[in-house]
Amino acid sequence: DIQMTQSPSSVSASVGDRVTITCRASQDIISWLAWYQQKPGKAPKLLIYTASSLQSGVPSRFSGSGSGTDFTLTISSLQPEDFATYYCQQTNSFPPVFGPGTKVDIK
Amino acid sequence: EVQLVQSGAEVKKPGESLKISCEGSGYIYTSYCIAWVRQMPGKGLEWMGIIYPGDSDTKYSPSFDGQVTISADKSIRTAYLQWSSLKASDTAMYYCARLAGSSYYHPLDYWGQGTLVTVSS
Repeated sequence: DIQMTQSPSSVSASVGDRVTITCRASQDIISWLAWYQQKPGKAPKLLIYTASSLQSGVPSRFSGSGSGTDFTLTISSLQPEDFATYYCQQTNSFPPVFGPGTKVDIK
Repeated sequence: EVQLVQSGAEVKKPGESLKISCEGSGYIYTSYCIAWVRQMPGKGLEWMGIIYPGDSDTKYSPSFDGQVTISADKSIRTAYLQWSSLKASDTAMYYCARLAGSSYYHPLDYWGQGTLVTVSS
């Protein structure tokens, strides 16, 4: 199985900050990577797919980049509603595992 | 509007059986896979398996193969996740989610609200 890691595991940031989360795959997954946002008590929400494609309805302050084994999710200007946990997921090979998550909380 | 509506919370005893459901609406049900995802208390997301309602073809993550059964009834647009003998370690929130296509290459674009399963003696 492909293993996914994320860094940092948590980050404290302020409204307006630029936040970058990194996801690394244990082997080449080309661009088959998705990012999800999960708020407490809620189901996850798809933000980005195929590494850099923005899901319909997701604000443009979210962006994704990378290919191969290294990927990033960037929030250009953190908003109050962005405080949440973010997960990456590889969909290149079976099983399509998730990363362990990165919690973004208020500084 | 695409919607996935899951059955309500369950409290069960170890050894009991359980079947939870996920009803889809607002899209061509037989054209998209449905996945089940586990989230244990305070933990991350775990991909359990998928079913293609068009032909009920299923695929399980090795970690869950033999532990649960995924099924679907396309006539009522409903997918199921079932256990024959629950354990305390099955206590978790279970989400169904629609894949944005007919194979695991696709991300999960719509999610149900989750079903909380509590297993306790």
